[in-house]
Amino acid sequence: GAGVSQSPSNKVTEKGKDVELRCDPISGHTALYWYRQRLGQGLEFLIYFQGNSAPDKSGLPSDRFSAERTGESVSTLTIQRTQQEDSAVYLCASSRSGTAGNTIYFGEGSWLTVV
Amino acid sequence: DAKTTQPPSMDCAEGRAANLPCNHSTISGNEYVYWYRQIHSQGPQYIIHGLKNNETNEMASLIITEDRKSSTLILPHATLRDTAVYYCIVRVAGSNYKLTFGKGTLLTVNP
Repeated sequence: GAGVSQSPSNKVTEKGKDVELRCDPISGHTALYWYRQRLGQGLEFLIYFQGNSAPDKSGLPSDRFSAERTGESVSTLTIQRTQQEDSAVYLCASSRSGTAGNTIYFGEGSWLTVV
Repeated sequence: DAKTTQPPSMDCAEGRAANLPCNHSTISGNEYVYWYRQIHSQGPQYIIHGLKNNETNEMASLIITEDRKSSTLILPHATLRDTAVYYCIVRVAGSNYKLTFGKGTLLTVNP
């Protein structure tokens, strides 16, 4: 597709369940990013992939959060044993490379509600 | 990243130009200025970016002062759909790969 695609667009899950969120970056983009935004709050950086490796995982809030990327394309963000404070929109973004002159494009996000 | 300062909110009349200021007084010579906007928690939308020269595209114009310590995003004919939070971000060329979002400016376009 032309843009960054994320699925599901909305997810409601029970506390304690695991969830997987998927991101399809723009074709040919080697850099991929995950951000989180709680309701009414700013965007928090979670993790950055260059190719299939993740040189910066500094934003992952706890060991319940993990992410992987395969084939330099699709990425999955996994949240284990979800908690109510995990409720947020999870935004994926990609760029042609990880350097500053390359624009980062965002998807529309996956809204997660933990009940 | 150099820090940026933006007013928390601004109003603009529909059809008029919206001029959104951003101060980045500690910007370095190799840092780009990027502008994004976010409409009601949709994914941030890229608007424009520049390094030293003024830039224009189909959405907006970016005016960067000669000393690069401030910039202005100009929406030439604001519409109601331009109501959004606008983020000014500086980003180091080469090594800094991610965007760090501040609080931005909530632009409200009024009929």
